[in-house]
Formats: sequence, C-alpha cells, structure tokens
Amino acid sequence: KAGVTQTPRYLIKTRGQQVTLSCSPISGHRSVSWYQQTPGQGLQFLFEYFSETQRNKGNFPGRFSGRQFSNSRSEMNVSTLELGDSALYLCASSLSAGLSENIQYFGAGTRLSVL
Amino acid sequence: GDSVTQMEGPVTLSEEAFLTINCTYTATGYPSLFWYVQYPGEGLQLLLKATKADDKGSNKGFEATYRKETTSFHLEKGSVQVSDSAVYFCALRMDSSGSARQLTFGSGTQLTVLP
Repeated sequence: KAGVTQTPRYLIKTRGQQVTLSCSPISGHRSVSWYQQTPGQGLQFLFEYFSETQRNKGNFPGRFSGRQFSNSRSEMNVSTLELGDSALYLCASSLSAGLSENIQYFGAGTRLSVL
Repeated sequence: GDSVTQMEGPVTLSEEAFLTINCTYTATGYPSLFWYVQYPGEGLQLLLKATKADDKGSNKGFEATYRKETTSFHLEKGSVQVSDSAVYFCALRMDSSGSARQLTFGSGTQLTVLP
C-alpha cells in the first residue's frame, strides 16, 4: 500500500510569507506527527495529531501550527516565515497514538527554503 | 529531559569492514529504542527497534541490543556494503501511559562506504 505522502516536495518562500505543507498518512493510520530537520538542530518534534486533536506539541513558537482532518490527512502551517525556518519538514504516521508497538513511518519530506 | 547521544561522524569505511555506531540515551523511564536510516534526498526509514531491556533488534544484517545497565543501543554490522552509505539516527520513545509519544533523535551519523 502507499506510504506517507508529503506535498509539495520543494518550496521556496520569502521572509514574512506563510506556507502550508500537506501530509497524507498511510491508509488506516490515524496518528500523524511532524518533525523539523535542520543541519544545526537536527530532528526536532513539532506536534502530533490523533483523531483531529493535537495530542502533543514540541518547543516551537506559535507561528507553527497544524491540523488534522477527518480522513487523517494533516497540514502544518508556518506564518511570518523567518530565514531560520528553512528546513526539511518530515511527516510520520502510525496506526494510533497509544500503542507501544506503534511504528512511525516517515514521508520523504518537504524541503522549505526561505529567502 | 530525555536525550540521545550518538557517535559523531562522519564515518568512512571500506566495503566489507565491520561497523559500529555508538548510541547512548538518558531517560526517566523505560523507552523503546530505534535506529532509523536516511538515504540522500529521502525521509527516514525504520531500520530496527527494541522495546525492552536485552531485546536485540535486527534487520538487513544490522543489529543492536538494548542495554539498560549501560543505557546504550549501539548499531553493528559485520560487513558493510557501498549501498549502506547513508545517515543513521538513533532515537528513543517513551511509551508510558499518558506520556508523549514523540521520537527523540540523536544528531545522526553519516556513513560512507568506499568500494
């Protein structure tokens, strides 16, 4: 079956703009998590959604937000972009949010460049 | 808070050499431990996992044993191939009821295997 799909793969924006990234989880998966990957900070957790509810949030400013739809697809939004937001944004899906046997499957990511 | 410390890279080996990538963790409870691999231009792929002490995860010739006494989860492979060239991430996840489910990653180790 299809894996985690992230769109678009690449984005170029300018400072001050906003951006929306999309993630379609593996069919049947209800939990979606987002991570930011940068050379300096590595992989950092942004937030997790399950059944359209944000269950957990990492240490990022309020400019970073997300949501999940009834079909489990998720979007994340970054407003008032800064140069430091340039990163690879990875989405991961898993069956649910509460099982110890859960495995997170990652998409290929969206590469965001802020100019 | 929880953290993962990973061997600094980059690591360069000749084909058929033995590989060890060190990983130690700090956690207040009993985490599940993971190794993920990232090939150029791609997202993360789960390589192997262990959910309790003394478990050994293995996949594609790679192995790692969950050592609670040394809080370690070192990745090993007896004979690396050029196709193993990638970035390897060690990660932990706390699975206690009600706690956050996000993965906490190490900084990653770049492995290059020369023919």
